[in-house]
Amino acid sequence: QVQLQQWGAGLLKPSETLSLTCAVYGGSFSGYYWIWIRQPPGEGLEWIGDVTHRGTSNYNLSLKSRVAISLDTSKNHFSLKLNSVTAADTGVYYCARGRKECTSGCLSFDYWGPGTVVTVSS
Amino acid sequence: DIQMTQSPSSLSASVGDRVTITCRASQSISSYLNWYQHKPGKAPDLLIYTASNLQSGVPSRFSGSGSGTDFTLTISSLQPEDFATYYCQQSYTTSWTFGQGTKVEIK
Repeated sequence: QVQLQQWGAGLLKPSETLSLTCAVYGGSFSGYYWIWIRQPPGEGLEWIGDVTHRGTSNYNLSLKSRVAISLDTSKNHFSLKLNSVTAADTGVYYCARGRKECTSGCLSFDYWGPGTVVTVSS
Repeated sequence: DIQMTQSPSSLSASVGDRVTITCRASQSISSYLNWYQHKPGKAPDLLIYTASNLQSGVPSRFSGSGSGTDFTLTISSLQPEDFATYYCQQSYTTSWTFGQGTKVEIK
């Protein structure tokens, strides 16, 4: 059974860097996408970005200048860094596995981490 | 980005009711549409992928249909554990986007 466990600092000051890590247990890194998604308070889900098992990354254009997602296949970890945070970056951050059903598009998020609450406040 | 619009934003229903949630894409996305269930304090669960395929372990009272721009999620007989928020997500372009959510509440 695939499990994702995530951790990282939950309280940040404006302008600091958000840093979260997600560990993957019980499954292979190969052949999947590794995703970060967030949910601001009272709002819906927002895809932040993803990285393939080969290390190719893809980011939400609205965050692209501030975000980096990386992979450590030796530890079965992947990480999110979001710099210059503001109060608008407050929310629950989820890591997830992306499963592709075809060669183009059709990515579904089939396993999720439990979420990390991140608060940005001075 | 492709915009996803769900309707209604919320609904009240009783146990045993048939519930239908609609998701509309701002352009054709073929059948590249997934549905998730999200309960407070928990991670979302994948229910339906590629418009109509039931994810392993998901009860058969959940079903999905549609193609192009218009999609539906149907719960044939609402159960107490189904009260949650439901999200659609397009997987047609690599800028994956979600609908704003539909909250299903107890009547």
